[in-house]
Amino acid sequence: EVQLLESGGGLVQPGGSLRLSCAASGFSFSSYDMTWVRQAPGKGLEWVSSITGSGGITNYADSVKGRFTISRDNSKNTLYLQMNSLRAEDTAVYYCAKTLLGSASYRYYFDYWGQGTPVTVSS
Amino acid sequence: EIVMTQSPATLPVSPGERATLSCRASQSVSSNLAWYQQKPGQAPRLLIYGASTRATGIPARFSGSESGTEFTLTISSLQSEDFAVYYCQQYNNWPLTFGQGTKLEIK
Repeated sequence: EVQLLESGGGLVQPGGSLRLSCAASGFSFSSYDMTWVRQAPGKGLEWVSSITGSGGITNYADSVKGRFTISRDNSKNTLYLQMNSLRAEDTAVYYCAKTLLGSASYRYYFDYWGQGTPVTVSS
Repeated sequence: EIVMTQSPATLPVSPGERATLSCRASQSVSSNLAWYQQKPGQAPRLLIYGASTRATGIPARFSGSESGTEFTLTISSLQSEDFAVYYCQQYNNWPLTFGQGTKLEIK
């Protein structure tokens, strides 16, 4: 059974940092591209960042480029999102998601999602 | 950036009736369009990809279609568990973009 379990969210002051983790199980982690999607309170879904299975290619939303870094440790089956210079508008539930097709398919739609980890940026 | 526009924002429908949800892309996304269902407090669930292919385990009452840059999700006979928010997402270009959602509510 595929499972994605996010952790690392919490309350942080503006300008602060957090590192989110997503522990994956039930599938060959390194064979799939992974993505972070966020959802602000009462709002819709917003793509944040994606990474290929090998970790060699990353993409970012303009709203987080230069502040967030996506990475993965395939030996630990874990996806990360390092978030620096956090702003109030980064407040959201952050989901990790797995692409349905294997890496290099370049078809970024998501068949499994974690339960989400909440991030609140406030003083 | 490709803008995805969903309509209507809210759709009141009675159980057993048919629901038609729309999603328009600001430019061509080919057939690289997915639909998700999200219930309160839950993660999104993939319904449709490739504009019209149902994901594993999705009931046949859910169907997707396309006409140019217009995409439609149809639920043929609404069940109680179908009342939720639905999002479309294009994956043809970076950045990936979602529509703002359509809330399907009980009439």
